[in-house]
Amino acid sequence: DARVTQTPRHKVTEMGQEVTMRCQPILGHNTVFWYRQTMMQGLELLAYFRNRAPLDDSGMPKDRFSAEMPDATLATLKIQPSEPRDSAVYFCASGLGEGFRNTIYFGEGSWLTVV
Amino acid sequence: TQLLEQSPQFLSIQEGENLTVYCNSSSVFSSLQWYRQEPGEGPVLLVTVVTGGEVKKLKRLTFQFGDARKDSSLHITAAQPGDTGLYLCAGATQGGSEKLVFGKGTKLTVNP
Repeated sequence: DARVTQTPRHKVTEMGQEVTMRCQPILGHNTVFWYRQTMMQGLELLAYFRNRAPLDDSGMPKDRFSAEMPDATLATLKIQPSEPRDSAVYFCASGLGEGFRNTIYFGEGSWLTVV
Repeated sequence: TQLLEQSPQFLSIQEGENLTVYCNSSSVFSSLQWYRQEPGEGPVLLVTVVTGGEVKKLKRLTFQFGDARKDSSLHITAAQPGDTGLYLCAGATQGGSEKLVFGKGTKLTVNP
């Protein structure tokens, strides 16, 4: 049963610490998205990649957030330094091909709390 | 910034009742998707509507895309406790981009 795998599922960290979230997209999928979900803002697109190349990261605070795809089976989202306002659920999603007609599949999310 | 407003924010009904939730925008979207999200999980795609006026049915769920492609509705007939969840609409911008704009969702609770 193919699925997007995210680690860690839950993370509590202190303000100022570095946080790295990892995502394994579905094998064969060439598009990977990072979303953040909060009660106030809902789901927001942070960044996405196609064939490991970043296509858009305009939704991501550049001063503290970075997203990479070291290889086709791993995407990372790093926050350094973390702040309490970064507390949210971070979702990775993957899909195949281009355009909205292709289904994207979400992982179960990484629940981040920054205290 | 393109925004999608969903209403109502919360809905609590009894099993067997019918309901409609709405997704509205002042912007035109090339397509609109509906997702259901259960606690502790990621959103799962239910349907994609593309053509203005399009109606799609998925068992007891009926989805409609507005004629002007600015709004959509989801109607559930004879709701069941298994329908409980957060229903999200998401619009794709013009040009077929896969950059989706999400509404904040309608949290539905169906009581047995």
